[in-house]
Amino acid sequence: ETGVTQTPRHLVMGMTNKKSLKCEQHLGHNAMYWYKQSAKKPLELMFVYNFKEQTENNSVPSRFSPECPNSSHLFLHLHTLQPEDSALYLCASSQDRGAVYEQYFGPGTRLTVT
Amino acid sequence: AQSVTQLGSHVSVSEGALVLLRCNYSSSVPPYLFWYVQYPNQGLQLLLKYTSAATLVKGINGFEAEFKKSETSFHLTKPSAHMSDAAEYFCAVRIPTNAGKSTFGDGTTLTVKP
Repeated sequence: ETGVTQTPRHLVMGMTNKKSLKCEQHLGHNAMYWYKQSAKKPLELMFVYNFKEQTENNSVPSRFSPECPNSSHLFLHLHTLQPEDSALYLCASSQDRGAVYEQYFGPGTRLTVT
Repeated sequence: AQSVTQLGSHVSVSEGALVLLRCNYSSSVPPYLFWYVQYPNQGLQLLLKYTSAATLVKGINGFEAEFKKSETSFHLTKPSAHMSDAAEYFCAVRIPTNAGKSTFGDGTTLTVKP
């Protein structure tokens, strides 16, 4: 595997379910991100992790719980979601030391909450 | 603080015509600037980046952008549109010291007519 991978690619869950999204980067980067992309809305940064430490939480509801066990893996645990949480969830990584580095994105998980 | 504005949420061009996607930024310090492209059901992919070197930046797929400090702009151009260029394009700005945090524009959907 190369780049940034995300699983699953599609997820349908009920409002009472608990599920997790997984992201893995094979680029040796130190920073990882979760974004939410809804139709007709700008890209929303949710969480940032740098060397496994959370450095950003943009007022995300507690029904979204991130976990970063190491610099290569990032999870987003979901529970008691609302229909408005349906969106494309994108994971990204970057190397955040020294020179400027762009973000590398995964293909996303298309989440539908019923 | 940093922000970016993409002028025009939808742009339509004919195949073979010039592509011009507009991006204006606001930044308290000299910024780094990026253009990303997103094809349907995929993540974002870097097209090109400006990192305070040459003001005219060439990217993949024949795209280029010019950094104009006096106009606070970083417009994306391509001399001749191809059907495969149809996608959504995002401009992003980052302050060099703002580790990991890029601010994205709302995106511009490019349609290419045959």
